[in-house]
Amino acid sequence: QVQLQESGPGLVKPSQTLSLTCTVSGGSISSGSYYWSWIRQPAGKGLEWIGRIYTSGSTNYNPSLKSRVTISVDTSKNQFSLKLSSVTAADTAVYYCARDVVINWYFDLWGRGTLVTVSS
Amino acid sequence: QSVLTQPPSASGTPGQRVTISCSGSSSNIGSNTVNWYQQLPGTAPKLLIYSNNQRPSGVPDRFSGSKSGTSASLAISGLQSEDEADYYCAAWDDSLNGLFGGGTKLTVL
Repeated sequence: QVQLQESGPGLVKPSQTLSLTCTVSGGSISSGSYYWSWIRQPAGKGLEWIGRIYTSGSTNYNPSLKSRVTISVDTSKNQFSLKLSSVTAADTAVYYCARDVVINWYFDLWGRGTLVTVSS
Repeated sequence: QSVLTQPPSASGTPGQRVTISCSGSSSNIGSNTVNWYQQLPGTAPKLLIYSNNQRPSGVPDRFSGSKSGTSASLAISGLQSEDEADYYCAAWDDSLNGLFGGGTKLTVL
């Protein structure tokens, strides 16, 4: 079955750019029925949607993060990626990638999550 | 503070019925469908209810969702110890933003 796996550095210095990749296995990322999203969760806090991408390259971002976020897709590698620039300690969180059903916006499949700590 | 408002905590005894509310506005819950996620300790969230009241395959029918106007509810009947988790509502907003509620921690007494 389709699985998602996040990967990337677990430690990022303040002011630098956080970069994560989500690899989709067991199915094609180019399926027309899905967006591909990033969601994060600071320790002990709630979920925050970061943004999403369609395989055409079309994106939507959370307005509160839009100026710092870039989500891209590489269909040849069956991957999509997140870049978050100018990070601070407030960006420390578990980052999840998720499959986002186009109709009615819900996440039917999640990665296990990866902890990213912003610290010098 | 989340745009979608949930009570921070809820509790019940085994076998009881518990409801968790989620309040929004006309631009999110009022005009889009509501989804619910269950997050067990130390794990990724799992889709529990989608499109207001639909259960994915494998979710017990003890879990049900409803929506009225700008509010939604998740009901859990026949409460079990394994239901102890955090529950999040979510809805798309017409401003092209995805919203989660702040989450409700359910304790089974």
